[in-house]
Amino acid sequence: AQKITQTQPGMFVQEKEAVTLDCTYDTSDPSYGLFWYKQPSSGEMIFLIYQGSYDQQNATEGRYSLNFQKARKSANLVISASQLGDSAMYFCAMRDGNSGGYQKVTFGTGTKLQVIP
Amino acid sequence: DGGITQSPKYLFRKEGQNVTLSCEQNLNHDAMYWYRQDPGQGLRLIYYSQIVNDFQKGDIAEGYSVSREKKESFPLTVTSAQKNPTAFYLCASSIDRRTFNYTFGSGTRLTVV
Repeated sequence: AQKITQTQPGMFVQEKEAVTLDCTYDTSDPSYGLFWYKQPSSGEMIFLIYQGSYDQQNATEGRYSLNFQKARKSANLVISASQLGDSAMYFCAMRDGNSGGYQKVTFGTGTKLQVIP
Repeated sequence: DGGITQSPKYLFRKEGQNVTLSCEQNLNHDAMYWYRQDPGQGLRLIYYSQIVNDFQKGDIAEGYSVSREKKESFPLTVTSAQKNPTAFYLCASSIDRRTFNYTFGSGTRLTVV
């Protein structure tokens, strides 16, 4: 089974509007973390936001917030006031498990966001 | 400015050749990682290293080899045993194995010709 599922291959959003990118996950580990990365067309991956499984509040970083619903196993990324520079691929990722002191990180297949002027 | 440098940006390989992708970081990070990215798929871990002179196989290590002789450098060799090497390769580092705020390089696009 997929550990990280991003069901939206592509999305459009009007500039200055908010957009939600979906991510669901599957793990039996009680301790895990969820991340979002942005990949512009230049190729590098840019870390956006992190949520730990025991964190009581949803993570926020500037215009990014993570809508963490533990019971539903979802970790959606909300981008407020979209800008043209937000056009990129967005990847959800999860760390869990423990193998030789290393916690494995699994990435989703990504969502391509295009911001329309 | 600190960061990760991957070179070359584009690389072409003939069938049966080994090629080496360079990854250098000046962030003083202990942990380094190699990922492979294919269209429509997420990143898949090839190898990782938590400390100098030590590295571990990831999920898709077959046909690849690495070395970690210096803290700053983690080169990846794509051998002729890798049957489908055409992909985008990303190198990353983190302060240590417990930190997941990875810093990524800008990637190398490898094409078999």
